[in-house]
Amino acid sequence: AQSVTQLGSHVSVSEGALVLLRCNYSSSVPPYLFWYVQYPNQGLQLLLKYTTGATLVKGINGFEAEFKKSETSFHLTKPSAHMSDAAEYFCAVSDRPTDKLIFGTGTRLQVFP
Amino acid sequence: NAGVMQNPRHLVRRRGQEARLRCSPMKGHSHVYWYRQLPEEGLKFMVYLQKENIIDESGMPKERFSAEFPKEGPSILRIQQVVRGDSAAYFCASSQRDSGEQYFGPGTRLTVT
Repeated sequence: AQSVTQLGSHVSVSEGALVLLRCNYSSSVPPYLFWYVQYPNQGLQLLLKYTTGATLVKGINGFEAEFKKSETSFHLTKPSAHMSDAAEYFCAVSDRPTDKLIFGTGTRLQVFP
Repeated sequence: NAGVMQNPRHLVRRRGQEARLRCSPMKGHSHVYWYRQLPEEGLKFMVYLQKENIIDESGMPKERFSAEFPKEGPSILRIQQVVRGDSAAYFCASSQRDSGEQYFGPGTRLTVT
């Protein structure tokens, strides 16, 4: 069965600091991996996705993630945090392109001035 | 191109009443997914539908919950005889055939009093 673990339900950084949000997955088949962002009282917006090919994936708003099969990880990073990055971030995995998404429990990112 | 539409955005029901949640997918999208987000939790998959077909309902509670995606019109998630534990945010997502990218609506926040 697939699963996603997001380490750290809350992460706080200063504006301009590195953002690192951790995600580990479990899957019996080559996974499709996603990061979504959710702002308060809104739906989810796709930040980036890994399907096949290059393991370093670039997304919107300066975010990127690296698929590391040996570590079963797909951590999300951004070199320099901005106040507008404060939100909840969800990592998700699926078996196939049209399959259901299995989400982690989310990481709430706070950015301090 | 309008995004995924959900209505109502907020719904209040008394225990024992019925709740109907509607989802209009993005234009050209033939796949619809429903997810539920309980307070302080991640999203949990409920059901995956294509036009007139339920593809995967492994996340649907066995009783009181049903979903449909008719040939014409929006997808409907129906909850009969609601209980307080049904209070949650219900999100709909849609995707194109084989695209692997799910686009989320803004959600319907159901409150059962």
